Amino acid sequence: AQSVTQLDSHVSVSEGTPVLLRCNYSSSYSPSLFWYVQHPNKGLQLLLKYTSAATLVKGINGFEAEFKKSETSFHLTKPSAHMSDAAEYFCVVSDRGGGFKTIFGAGTRLFVKA
Amino acid sequence: GAVVSQHPSWVICKSGTSVKIECRSLDFQATTMFWYRQFPKQSLMLMATSNEGSKATYEQGVEKDKFLINHASLTLSTLTVTSAHPEDSSFYICSARVGTSGDSPLHFGNGTRLTVT
Repeated sequence: AQSVTQLDSHVSVSEGTPVLLRCNYSSSYSPSLFWYVQHPNKGLQLLLKYTSAATLVKGINGFEAEFKKSETSFHLTKPSAHMSDAAEYFCVVSDRGGGFKTIFGAGTRLFVKA
Repeated sequence: GAVVSQHPSWVICKSGTSVKIECRSLDFQATTMFWYRQFPKQSLMLMATSNEGSKATYEQGVEKDKFLINHASLTLSTLTVTSAHPEDSSFYICSARVGTSGDSPLHFGNGTRLTVT
């Protein structure tokens, strides 16, 4: 069965500094991987997705992620944090072994300090 | 495009009553919708997969008689929490996938905050 592990429950950065949110996955098939962001009491918004094309994926709001099969990782990065980036981020995996159900990581809370 | 509308955004009900939550795909057809539950400061837990015209598929540990799911059309799925109790208080979120390809991202409603008193 597929699974996903987000290595940090919370990350704190200063505004203007880089962001790194770490995600490792497990899948017996070629997975699809996604990053979603959730602001308080809101639904989830797709940031970006990887589906076996380019390994470096660019998303919205300046975020990008790199798929590294050898490391089974899909870390999310942003060169310069903005206050509005403060939110909960979820790494998600989906593969045909699980009937394409989407499995969520535990989430990483990003804090941005002024 | 690909907007999912969820209603109501919040609801307070008394213990023992039932509550219905609607999930609509506004500009696309969704043969499959998903219902999640989220506890405070926790991740989303998949409750069930709602299939248009057939019975929902429930995840292990989810009571199908308590959480009734109906997917009567290609744009509407409903979740009814029957005989609600305080422990059912939670944030419920629905999602739908555009098309049937497994690598298509999910689009989420804004969630429903249920409080059972």
